[in-house]
Amino acid sequence: RKEVEQDPGPFNVPEGATVAFNCTYSNSASQSFFWYRQDCRKEPKLLMSVYSSGNEDGRFTAQLNRASQYISLLIRDSKLSDSATYLCVVGNYGGSQGNLIFGKGTKLSVKP
Amino acid sequence: NAGVTQTPKFQVLKTGQSMTLQCAQDMNHNSMYWYRQDPGMGLRLIYYSASEGTTDKGEVPNGYNVSRLNKREFSLRLESAAPSQTSVYFCASNRSGGSNQPQHFGDGTRLSIL
Repeated sequence: RKEVEQDPGPFNVPEGATVAFNCTYSNSASQSFFWYRQDCRKEPKLLMSVYSSGNEDGRFTAQLNRASQYISLLIRDSKLSDSATYLCVVGNYGGSQGNLIFGKGTKLSVKP
Repeated sequence: NAGVTQTPKFQVLKTGQSMTLQCAQDMNHNSMYWYRQDPGMGLRLIYYSASEGTTDKGEVPNGYNVSRLNKREFSLRLESAAPSQTSVYFCASNRSGGSNQPQHFGDGTRLSIL
């Protein structure tokens, strides 16, 4: 089983739609969780951290289910500018120090 | 407010040539990282430096060497470039080596080995 798995997509949605991405991770001892956004030919940028109680930042909501080892990202009222690849990232203690494990990403395309 | 700066942005090499990719951060971060990103493979850690004076191998270190020159700078060297090293290279940094810290990325070096 891969350490961090994501549906590669692409997810093609119309403007205004709600879209959800899922991510599973294999290491039950994982301690930190993030969503990054990567635009085409650009560097990954932190979108939001994911907390155990779930957290929201504007149109974006992240959820963590430790029992199922599952992370989700919900985007409401999609904008054209949300088109990007979304990377699920998990931090593990006990492995290489400071090692964040990156999923391969889910591609989102928001259409007019 | 530069953050993480990488040079060069683009480079084309011939097989067997050597080069050094430079990375500098101005956020007073302790830890720095080098990744490569290939289509379908995601980001893979090459080497990292938890603090000034230390370096460690990541997932794919073969064919690379690194130097943590000081707290700000972390360079990646290809001694004898191979076509398999054609990739996009990202440098990143965070405040400490603990994995609860998000990493901040430079804008990448696109390297082609012919």
